[in-house]
Amino acid sequence: AQSVSQHNHHVILSEAASLELGCNYSYGGTVNLFWYVQYPGQHLQLLLKYFSGDPLVKGIKGFEAEFIKSKFSFNLRKPSVQWSDTAEYFCAVNSGSARQLTFGSGTQLTVLP
Amino acid sequence: DGGITQSPKYLFRKEGQNVTLSCEQNLNHDAMYWYRQDPGQGLRLIYYSQIVNDFQKGDIAEGYSVSREKKESFPLTVTSAQKNPTAFYLCASTPTGEAETQYFGPGTRLLVL
Repeated sequence: AQSVSQHNHHVILSEAASLELGCNYSYGGTVNLFWYVQYPGQHLQLLLKYFSGDPLVKGIKGFEAEFIKSKFSFNLRKPSVQWSDTAEYFCAVNSGSARQLTFGSGTQLTVLP
Repeated sequence: DGGITQSPKYLFRKEGQNVTLSCEQNLNHDAMYWYRQDPGQGLRLIYYSQIVNDFQKGDIAEGYSVSREKKESFPLTVTSAQKNPTAFYLCASTPTGEAETQYFGPGTRLLVL
């Protein structure tokens, strides 16, 4: 069974700091990878996704993620965070044969103004 | 206005009572999903349905039941057998051909009195 690990449960940054949230998965085959974001009081929204091709994926709001197959990782990055990025971030994985997503436990990001 | 709607926003359950959470989508999506979100545990899959009149158990199906009589509707019943039902419940759907990208509703928070 596939699993997803998000090592940071709560990250606190000041505005303009750089962000990197870790995500590792355990599945040896073909995977589809996702980052979702849940802003306070809002729907869970898709931030970005990777299916194939260029391992550096760009998403909305200046976020990007890099798929490193050898490390089973899909870390989320943003060069300069804003107060409005305060939210909970979830990494998710779907393996080629399964039609369901496995989510990590989430990382709460708090950006201080 | 297209999207996924969930009702009610808040739901209270008494001990021993069954309650049903509604999920409707007018996006013509084939697959629909129910997740449970608990603090620090991310999202866990309860049930999913690929097509009408068919559904599969997810990782934590015990104490829950679903039906899929119409493409646009996928209600979840939390039965009295679910001993710890207090949680945030999220419904999602996936369009055919989008490789498992899931779109989420606003959620229902269930509280036990």
